[in-house]
Amino acid sequence: QKEVEQNSGPLSVPEGAIASLNCTYSDRGSQSFFWYRQYSGKSPELIMFIYSNGDKEDGRFTAQLNKASQYVSLLIRDSQPSDSATYLCAVNYGGSQGNLIFGKGTKLSVKP
Amino acid sequence: DAGVIQSPRHEVTEMGQEVTLRCKPISGHDYLFWYRQTMMRGLELLIYFNNNVPIDDSGMPEDRFSAKMPNASFSTLKIQPSEPRDSAVYFCASSPDRASSGNTIYFGEGSWLTVV
Repeated sequence: QKEVEQNSGPLSVPEGAIASLNCTYSDRGSQSFFWYRQYSGKSPELIMFIYSNGDKEDGRFTAQLNKASQYVSLLIRDSQPSDSATYLCAVNYGGSQGNLIFGKGTKLSVKP
Repeated sequence: DAGVIQSPRHEVTEMGQEVTLRCKPISGHDYLFWYRQTMMRGLELLIYFNNNVPIDDSGMPEDRFSAKMPNASFSTLKIQPSEPRDSAVYFCASSPDRASSGNTIYFGEGSWLTVV
């Protein structure tokens, strides 16, 4: 059973702080990793994806991947109230396009 | 681009009734996915198509669920008969050919289904 685990939260951080969201996955064959943001009542939207070990930065967002530890994280620097949402980690186990397994998400709340 | 278009956005139906959810993917996308989202189970892949052909339907919960894609611009997800436990948000999503864009999946706004 391939699984993607996330802490459901809520994770509460003050405005301007760094929010750290974590995700673990069960299958070492995983090839690509995605972070989606979902506002309440809306559909998920892609923030970032990462394939290689290490860090990948995009604006205020940094994705970190450690395949040996089967761990992927998302850092949000200078958190804003508009970042308040549920963040979904998704893992593609390779091969078929459709093998994208989602975690249940971590709810982030950024307090002004 | 208009994005992935789903209808209806909201549906309330009685147990035992047939429900049909519709989806128009982004033009040119070769992959179409149907997901279901609930608080308990999160976002689950039900079925996906490649070039209108069903590739993996292992996520379809039971025979009451069926999905079709008669052409590149239209897909349906049907539940017959519906049950209260089918209440969820159903998302349709599409993706370009796997050779590009790193498997980015674009979601529609979702169909909110309530079965009473």
